[in-house]
Amino acid sequence: AQSVAQPEDQVNVAEGNPLTVKCTYSVSGNPYLFWYVQYPNRGLQFLLKYITGDNLVKGSYGFEAEFNKSQTSFHLKKPSALVSDSALYFCAVRGPDRRSTLGRLYFGRGTQLTVWP
Amino acid sequence: KAGVTQTPRYLIKTRGQQVTLSCSPISGHRSVSWYQQTPGQGLQFLFEYFSETQRNKGNFPGRFSGRQFSNSRSEMNVSTLELGDSALYLCASSLISIQRGHNEQFFGPGTRLTVL
Repeated sequence: AQSVAQPEDQVNVAEGNPLTVKCTYSVSGNPYLFWYVQYPNRGLQFLLKYITGDNLVKGSYGFEAEFNKSQTSFHLKKPSALVSDSALYFCAVRGPDRRSTLGRLYFGRGTQLTVWP
Repeated sequence: KAGVTQTPRYLIKTRGQQVTLSCSPISGHRSVSWYQQTPGQGLQFLFEYFSETQRNKGNFPGRFSGRQFSNSRSEMNVSTLELGDSALYLCASSLISIQRGHNEQFFGPGTRLTVL
């Protein structure tokens, strides 16, 4: 079965410090991985994705994520956090099998990031 | 390009009623997926439509249904509403079916449904 785990419900970090939001996944074969962000009363916004290639993926708003196959992780990172980064972050995975009827995105439970001034 | 739009944004219904939510995808996008978001269950996949056909369905009862029109606009319907159906319903569009590719999905702002 395909699944995503975000082990931290909440992450707090001071503005200007680096941030990491953790994500681990479970899929058969090579995964497609995504990060989305949700601001209050808004839908989800796409940040970045990993399909294949370089393990370090760069995305919107200065975010990046590191794919680690051996640890089945896809952690979201940013070198210097901003107060405006405070939001709910979701990791998602999609399995690779095009023939599968399970071709859907599986989302983690979300991690609330709070950046304090 | 205009983003994904959903109507209405807020809805209040009572138990036993039915409701229809609407989603207009980004122009050119042919795949529309629906998700239910609640504090307790998180984001749960409802179904995906592509070229007017349901391609995939999540683990929801038959009270939840949907359809897609030839212009890719989609509606979802919930009949015999229950208190537990109170949630944010999100629609997402992508260029091709999520079954066949790895395109990112673009989400609408959601419809907040409250069942009293």
